[in-house]
Parts: sequence; structure tokens; C-alpha cells
Amino acid sequence: GDSVTQMEGPVTLSEEAFLTINCTYTATGYPSLFWYVQYPGEGLQLLLKATKADDKGSNKGFEATYRKETTSFHLEKGSVQVSDSAVYFCALGLFGNEKLTFGTGTRLTIIP
Amino acid sequence: NAGVTQTPKFRVLKTGQSMTLLCAQDMNHEYMYWYRQDPGMGLRLIHYSVGEGTTAKGEVPDGYNVSRLKKQNFLLGLESAAPSQTSVYFCASSSLQGLNYGYTFGSGTRLTVV
Repeated sequence: GDSVTQMEGPVTLSEEAFLTINCTYTATGYPSLFWYVQYPGEGLQLLLKATKADDKGSNKGFEATYRKETTSFHLEKGSVQVSDSAVYFCALGLFGNEKLTFGTGTRLTIIP
Repeated sequence: NAGVTQTPKFRVLKTGQSMTLLCAQDMNHEYMYWYRQDPGMGLRLIHYSVGEGTTAKGEVPDGYNVSRLKKQNFLLGLESAAPSQTSVYFCASSSLQGLNYGYTFGSGTRLTVV
């Protein structure tokens, strides 16, 4: 079946460090891929998405590129801030399916 | 835009009590979902609906019931609450094209069963 595998956390970085959170997927077709962010005490918010191979999603300084050859959608940011501390979820959706498939989430903590 | 609204935001129940969580969306979305999130962060799908009058089971449906009598509302019921149902519950919705645009989530209901 379809699945999403995320880098296990927690991840702790210093402010202004480079961030990578790995995400790989298994799907029977050509999925759309998403990153969601959950700030403390809040619901999940869509951070960015990509709907076809080689698309790059970007938002708030975060980027992720849909790599069909490696079935990956890694999240990156060049210089993290304390306000980026949150839980990040990778997810995929397939046309014809009725629901998204989520990864288990990666907790990110940024220290000043 | 209100988006997805969940009520209540917090609730404490005694074991064996019943309650209903309400999810309302104002985006005319066809699909609606109920998830629970436990320490360890992962989301688990409880039930979902692909349209008014329809419901389907997710990964962890036992102990819960749902109803979608109106397109904009999706209710999650606990008939006899158990401590194992202590969790944070999230509702989400999406359009028919939602797999290209993702879900819109509510802000959650924190439920404690004592």
C-alpha cells in the first residue's frame, strides 16, 4: 500500500543552521506531495506542496522538490529561526483515493 | 474565512460518559475526516466521509461513531468514554480536488477521560 517514511526526530538545531528533514514515499501511481507544520497547541497547516515530478514547493523560506527517481520530498531551509520550532508532517495523496497518507511527524526544536 | 471550526476546544469526561464533538466547515468541501493524535505525534484516522449522508471507517474506529447529516457538519460521538480515548482530536476537510490542494484542519479538541 501507499506509505510515507519520515526522518525520525526529535531534531534540535541552533538558530541560523541549515535544515533538512527527509521524506520518502511508496505509491502505486503519481502522488501529490505535501508538507504540513503543527505549531505547539495548534492544528496542522499546509506548508507547501508539489503535484508532479520535479516541481518545487516553497513557502516561508522552506523548500521541497518532488524527486520521482528517488521517491523523495525532503524539506529544507537555509537558515532556521526559533519560530520554526514545530512538528513537521510529510503526506501524499493519490487521485482516486479518498484520503491523504501521513508520515509520523518530525519534531524540530531550534535553540537560540 | 472561518475554515474548519471544532467545538469544544477542551473537555474532561468521566469513564463511561458520552459526548459529541462537532466539526463545521464553511468551504463547501465534500470530504471530511476525524483524526486523533497521541503523544508520539502521529495522526490516526478514525472515520471519514466523502459526502453528505456517507461515512466510512478509518484505522481506529472502535469506540467512536460519526454522522454527516449536513454537508458542512461532521460529528464524532463517544458513547461510553474510556481512558484510552484521552487524546487530541482533529477534524479536517477537503474538496473533491483536495488531493492536489491538501486538507484544511481545525485547531483541535483536547479530551481527557478520567
